[in-house]
Amino acid sequence: SQTIHQWPATLVQPVGSPLSLECTVEGTSNPNLYWYRQAAGRGLQLLFYSIGIDQISSEVPQNLSASRPQDRQFILSSKKLLLSDSGFYLCAWSTKSNQPQHFGDGTRLSIL
Amino acid sequence: GEDVEQSLFLSVREGDSSVINCTYTDSSSTYLYWYKQEPGAGLQLLTYIFSNMDMKQDQRLTVLLNKKDKHLSLRIADTQTGDSAIYFCAETRIMIYNQGGKLIFGQGTELSVKP
Repeated sequence: SQTIHQWPATLVQPVGSPLSLECTVEGTSNPNLYWYRQAAGRGLQLLFYSIGIDQISSEVPQNLSASRPQDRQFILSSKKLLLSDSGFYLCAWSTKSNQPQHFGDGTRLSIL
Repeated sequence: GEDVEQSLFLSVREGDSSVINCTYTDSSSTYLYWYKQEPGAGLQLLTYIFSNMDMKQDQRLTVLLNKKDKHLSLRIADTQTGDSAIYFCAETRIMIYNQGGKLIFGQGTELSVKP
């Protein structure tokens, strides 16, 4: 069966520090991968999606970037965090055929 | 616009039925989803319905889809305290043909189940 792992679960970082969140999927090949952010107001916003290695699309302009160095690895990064980057970050995967997206357990990021 | 809309709160008594409503915007959405989020956790896929269906039942869950009104509902029968969570509906927007779609989420409905 397929599983998705995100880490760390919780992160507290100072403003201006770098960020690296990692997501890996097991049990499937060539998945679509997604990064979402859930702000305090509950809504989820798609940040990045990837349909293959080194193929990243950005949905909204922001202080973050994403990379997919391997088929089942998706990384969310920032060179300098802003206070507004605080939130709950969720990684998800789906198959190519427009099937449901399955989410990881999320990373809660607090910026001080 | 892109908005998927849900009421923010719903309170029911244990054993009653809960009905969570959602309106969406894109009539070409192929799949519509219901996700459940418990405090501090990720999103758990509860159920989904394909756009050519009117109803789908899965144990205590019943999904109704009214395409004409772009209205989706989730009914939970015999609601239990363990059902307390935030429920999100989501519609699919195709990104690239046959490459999958992004999800547009509603704001979530917080279901509170009182004993």
